Amino acid sequence: GAGVSQSPSNKVTEKGKDVELRCDPISGHTALYWYRQSLGQGLEFLIYFQGNSAPDKSGLPSDRFSAERTGGSVSTLTIQRTQQEDSAVYLCASRPRGLGSGELFFGEGSRLTVL
Amino acid sequence: GQQLNQSPQSMFIQEGEDVSMNCTSSSIFNTWLWYKQDPGEGPVLLIALYKAGELTSNGRLTAQFGITRKDSFLNISASIPSDVGIYFCAGQPTSNYQLIWGAGTKLIIKP
Repeated sequence: GAGVSQSPSNKVTEKGKDVELRCDPISGHTALYWYRQSLGQGLEFLIYFQGNSAPDKSGLPSDRFSAERTGGSVSTLTIQRTQQEDSAVYLCASRPRGLGSGELFFGEGSRLTVL
Repeated sequence: GQQLNQSPQSMFIQEGEDVSMNCTSSSIFNTWLWYKQDPGEGPVLLIALYKAGELTSNGRLTAQFGITRKDSFLNISASIPSDVGIYFCAGQPTSNYQLIWGAGTKLIIKP
């Protein structure tokens, strides 16, 4: 597809289980972001990948959260030992080189519910 | 950390009315952006502003970068049903700083 693709679109898990969320950015986009959006809230930055540079992990809320980006394309966000407060929509965005650093293209998000 | 104050939180309007919403910051920003999010979708960029005082239009939408660099507003003229959704402002103190987001303005059009 032409847009940012995220999977799964919905994930229900039990507290304590690990989850993996996947993001396929737009082809050729060098920058990739993960955000978290809780109900009725703005977006909370989690992590940023740019090319081969070291990722900006400054937004990850705890060491249970990690992300990787393989081959400069697909990214996986992993949440270990999920807690109920992890329930949120996790949004991925990408951006091509040359655009303003705030001009992002978002996927539809992965809605995570931790029971 | 830095925060953006976005208002109003929600708006109930009649179709055809004009809409205005704004964002303020306690510190100077170099970039202001406005996004719209429809239910079940990710945010979509509407307008990006890069210079203090800049006024930019995108169809019925007009946004301005405040002269103090601490605020921005978004106006929608002659609202139509497809304008419903949540509008977010976002800003950057510098271009290599991650975006800071407002909490959103939910626009609802009364039948």
